[in-house]
Amino acid sequence: DVKVTQSSRYLVKRTGEKVFLECVQDMDHENMFWYRQDPGLGLRLIYFSYDVKMKEKGDIPEGYSVSREKKERFSLILESASTNQTSMYLCASSFQLAGQQYFGPGTRLTVT
Amino acid sequence: DQQVKQNSPSLSVQEGRISILNCDYTNSMFDYFLWYKKYPAEGPTFLISISSIKDKNEDGRFTVFLNKSAKHLSLHIVPSQPGDSAVYFCAASQIQGAQKLVFGQGTRLTINP
Repeated sequence: DVKVTQSSRYLVKRTGEKVFLECVQDMDHENMFWYRQDPGLGLRLIYFSYDVKMKEKGDIPEGYSVSREKKERFSLILESASTNQTSMYLCASSFQLAGQQYFGPGTRLTVT
Repeated sequence: DQQVKQNSPSLSVQEGRISILNCDYTNSMFDYFLWYKKYPAEGPTFLISISSIKDKNEDGRFTVFLNKSAKHLSLHIVPSQPGDSAVYFCAASQIQGAQKLVFGQGTRLTINP
């Protein structure tokens, strides 16, 4: 069974703080993704990575950066958290870029 | 440009009846389609998929239909059960073109006892 884990289920941060969200997958997948989910807006892609140290912007990259130093780990960084980044953050991985994605349990981030 | 659309934000169905969730897409190059189910405070889980070479795929109570000419995908759940209450996302991609999944906005399904 594919397992994707995220470092925190719930996180509360203050405006201006630097926030790290970690994601680890155990299936040796090449591709990893970060999404945010907001009511009525579905899943919006922030960044994805198709190999170690390789990354590409998704649909809403502003205010975020990512890091992939090891194949199994993909980090999402909020350089200076803002209240409009309060959301559910979901990490996913896949074997093929266009194939089925396996999701982690999500991190509910609240920025106050 | 929303390439995958789920036009119904919510749907309410009586337990035991059929639930039909719909999805439209605009990119005729899409050749792989999936449905995911998501409970609150959990990540989406894969439900069922279909390749563009087929027009129907069944898995137990779940059937996905693909109408390529209409660029329309639907998920049928029969019979609906209370545990089916969740948000359902459709997604599409180009396996041949190695284009990543594009998700719809989701439909919240509520099954009433």
